[in-house]
Amino acid sequence: DVKVTQSSRYLVKRTGEKVFLECVQDMDHENMFWYRQDPGLGLRLIYFSYDVKMKEKGDIPEGYSVSREKKERFSLILESASTNQTSMYLCASLRGSSYEQYFGPGTRLTVT
Amino acid sequence: QKEVEQNSGPLSVPEGAIASLNCTYSDRGSQSFFWYRQYSGKSPELIMFIYSNGDKEDGRFTAQLNKASQYVSLLIRDSQPSDSATYLCAVNVGTGGGADGLTFGKGTHLIIQP
Repeated sequence: DVKVTQSSRYLVKRTGEKVFLECVQDMDHENMFWYRQDPGLGLRLIYFSYDVKMKEKGDIPEGYSVSREKKERFSLILESASTNQTSMYLCASLRGSSYEQYFGPGTRLTVT
Repeated sequence: QKEVEQNSGPLSVPEGAIASLNCTYSDRGSQSFFWYRQYSGKSPELIMFIYSNGDKEDGRFTAQLNKASQYVSLLIRDSQPSDSATYLCAVNVGTGGGADGLTFGKGTHLIIQP
């Protein structure tokens, strides 16, 4: 069974704080993704990675950065959290030859 | 800008009937098309994907793709109350099954009435 885990289910941070969201997958998948999901806007791609140390911008990368130092781990970084980054953050992974993205349980981040 | 459009619903269908969910997409370069199901408070899970014109069946689910019309649909036969969820349509531009990430529609909320 593929498992994608995220470091926190709920997180509350203050405006201006640096925030780290961690994602770990246990199936040796090459590809990993960060999305955010907001009511009325749906799921939107922030960043993705094909392999260790590789990263590509998605549709809404502004205000975010990522890090992939190990194949199983993909981190999303909010350099200076703002209230408009309050959202549900979903991590996903994909084997390169496959079609199914496996999603983690999500982190609901509130920035106050 | 890639766009995926879905009717947000709610779409209400009697138990045992066929539920029909529709999706249109803007980018003619889209090659792979996905239907995800998301229960309230849960993560999306893949139901089906399709990349060739025509129909693809898997159990009670049938995905239909018409690239000329830029239209993809999902039919759920013999609808069950457990099918009540939000259904997300997603597309990938480029080769492969989504290595570049997916563009999602906003989802259709489906309610199966017992």
